[in-house]
Amino acid sequence: GAGVSQSPRYKVAKRGQDVALRCDPISGHVSLFWYQQALGQGPEFLTYFQNEAQLDKSGLPSDRFFAERPEGSVSTLKIQRTQQEDSAVYLCASSLLGTGGYLNYGYTFGSGTRLTVV
Amino acid sequence: ELKVEQNPLFLSMQEGKNYTIYCNYSTTSDRLYWYRQDPGKSLESLFVLLSNGAVKQEGRLMASLDTKARLSTLHITAAVHDLSATYFCAVKKGSGGSNYKLTFGKGTLLTVNP
Repeated sequence: GAGVSQSPRYKVAKRGQDVALRCDPISGHVSLFWYQQALGQGPEFLTYFQNEAQLDKSGLPSDRFFAERPEGSVSTLKIQRTQQEDSAVYLCASSLLGTGGYLNYGYTFGSGTRLTVV
Repeated sequence: ELKVEQNPLFLSMQEGKNYTIYCNYSTTSDRLYWYRQDPGKSLESLFVLLSNGAVKQEGRLMASLDTKARLSTLHITAAVHDLSATYFCAVKKGSGGSNYKLTFGKGTLLTVNP
């Protein structure tokens, strides 16, 4: 597709439920990022993939968060045993080159998944 | 750790007026981005600034970068209602570890009133 596609757009989960958020990046984009955006805040880095390799997961808040990109294209962010503090918008971004951008190539963000834990 | 500070966080302007949003960052960067976000929407890329003294303009928005001062500005000229949105600056580290990810400011919520 022309852009980064995320699904679902909205997810309501009961506390303790597991959720899976999907990101379909722009075809051919090597780099893929997940960010978490709390209400009224800027996005915060969660994790980075270069192709299928997860090179940085330092931003994942706890071991309940897990991300994968097994074939180097679609990525899934999984949150186990959701807690209220997990409520946020989860943004996926992709970029053409391995360093996350080159000259005027930037990062293309998806529309996000708004997760509400009740 | 790279820190990015934006100010002001809230800005209420009258149509036709000018104003500037400031973005300070704490360490060497090789790339600075400005994004716009409308409520419930994703981030729309406005500008990418690569070098000291870079200036880019699009319509009523102009962005500049001073790498020595570690400061970028987003200047709004003769604001119109359509510019109401949240504006983020985001910085990519120039070297060292983790120089692939963006660090965002908290954003500036801009409201342009008639």
